[in-house]
Amino acid sequence: QVQLQQWGAGLLKPSETLSLTCAVYGESFSGYYWSWIRQPPGKGLEWIGEISHSGSTNYNPSLKSRVTISVDTSKNQFSLKLTSVTAADTALYYCARPIFRGSRALDYWGQGTLVTVSS
Amino acid sequence: DIQMTQSPSTLSASVGDRVTITCRASQSISTWLAWYQQKPGKAPKLLIYKASSLENGVPSRFSGSGSGTEFTLTISSLQPDDFATYYCQQYNSYSPVTFGQGTKLEIK
Repeated sequence: QVQLQQWGAGLLKPSETLSLTCAVYGESFSGYYWSWIRQPPGKGLEWIGEISHSGSTNYNPSLKSRVTISVDTSKNQFSLKLTSVTAADTALYYCARPIFRGSRALDYWGQGTLVTVSS
Repeated sequence: DIQMTQSPSTLSASVGDRVTITCRASQSISTWLAWYQQKPGKAPKLLIYKASSLENGVPSRFSGSGSGTEFTLTISSLQPDDFATYYCQQYNSYSPVTFGQGTKLEIK
């Protein structure tokens, strides 16, 4: 059974760097693009970006200048860094895996990490 | 980016009703569309992928259709467990992934 378990700091000050990690259990890491998605409180879903097992990335253009997604295949983990956070980055952050290799419809999700940006 | 517009934003319906949610893309996405159900405090759940393919374990009362720029999610007979928020997502290979703004399905 595939499981995604995520963790990271939940409270940040403006201008700090958000850092989250997602560990993948019960599934081969290779062949998929692994995604990060966020959801501000009471609002809709926003795709942040994705990474392949080989490190190839695609980012949301609106966040691209501040986002880095990286992968550690030896640990079956991938990570998100978002620099210079503001209150607008307050959201529930999810990691996710697509249904098939080559798809981007997401069928396995992490439990979510609430990140609050406040001074 | 490809913009996804869902309608309606809110839908009030009763148990047993047939309901339809529409999603329009700002440009053609073939059938690269998924539908998700989300309940409060939970991660989204994939219902439909490739516009009309039902995810394993999803009840057959859910169905999806469409191609190009217009898509629909239909629930044939609403059950109490179906009251939630629904999102469409386009995943055209050549564009960033984008979601619709969501449709909240409420009990009438």
